[in-house]
Amino acid sequence: DAGITQSPRHKVTETGTPVTLRCHQTENHRYMYWYRQDPGHGLRLIHYSYGVKDTDKGEVSDGYSVSRSKTEDFLLTLESATSSQTSVYFCAISESRGGAEAFFGQGTRLTVV
Amino acid sequence: QQQVKQSPQSLIVQKGGISIINCAYENTAFDYFPWYQQFPGKGPALLIAIRPDVSEKKEGRFTISFNKSAKQFSLHIMDSQPGDSATYFCAAGEYGNKLVFGAGTILRVKS
Repeated sequence: DAGITQSPRHKVTETGTPVTLRCHQTENHRYMYWYRQDPGHGLRLIHYSYGVKDTDKGEVSDGYSVSRSKTEDFLLTLESATSSQTSVYFCAISESRGGAEAFFGQGTRLTVV
Repeated sequence: QQQVKQSPQSLIVQKGGISIINCAYENTAFDYFPWYQQFPGKGPALLIAIRPDVSEKKEGRFTISFNKSAKQFSLHIMDSQPGDSATYFCAAGEYGNKLVFGAGTILRVKS
């Protein structure tokens, strides 16, 4: 999967707890993205990064924050998990701004109970 | 509001047949139209993409047809094989800007 590792791959957490998902890349790509995948909605962009300490919101950013302190790592944090955040989360990397020719990780399945 | 509408939601095709998935977009500024293929438990993988300066692009058994005036594009899989069974996503965007994805089509090819 083009040198992208997501961790954990599966997680079950309780409502109200904070959760952090990690995306690690070995490709040295500048651009990184977090998407969520839900039935009937395809992939929706949560947050993205155009470089270290350079992040911005996507279309479904409420309840999520991100950080990128190193080129290779992009963290997604759910400050206080809710059941509506139960989803499969994908990280993607790209050499092109905007996500063209993006490579996706294998995903993290998060269940909030 | 979904800016890219994908149909059908699911599709069953006989081995050797043609699979056709359609997408329609609204934003006339979009100039990049990729298709992604996703197998169960895996992330989406770029399959083929087209820019609006051409009406068709072919890579092996996979062809994108693009109709700029109708704001529609489609994926054709010729000689469909059981190994093509997967979920397919279309996407659209301005090259260099964020992509918008369709809802996905689950394709099953019966042997």
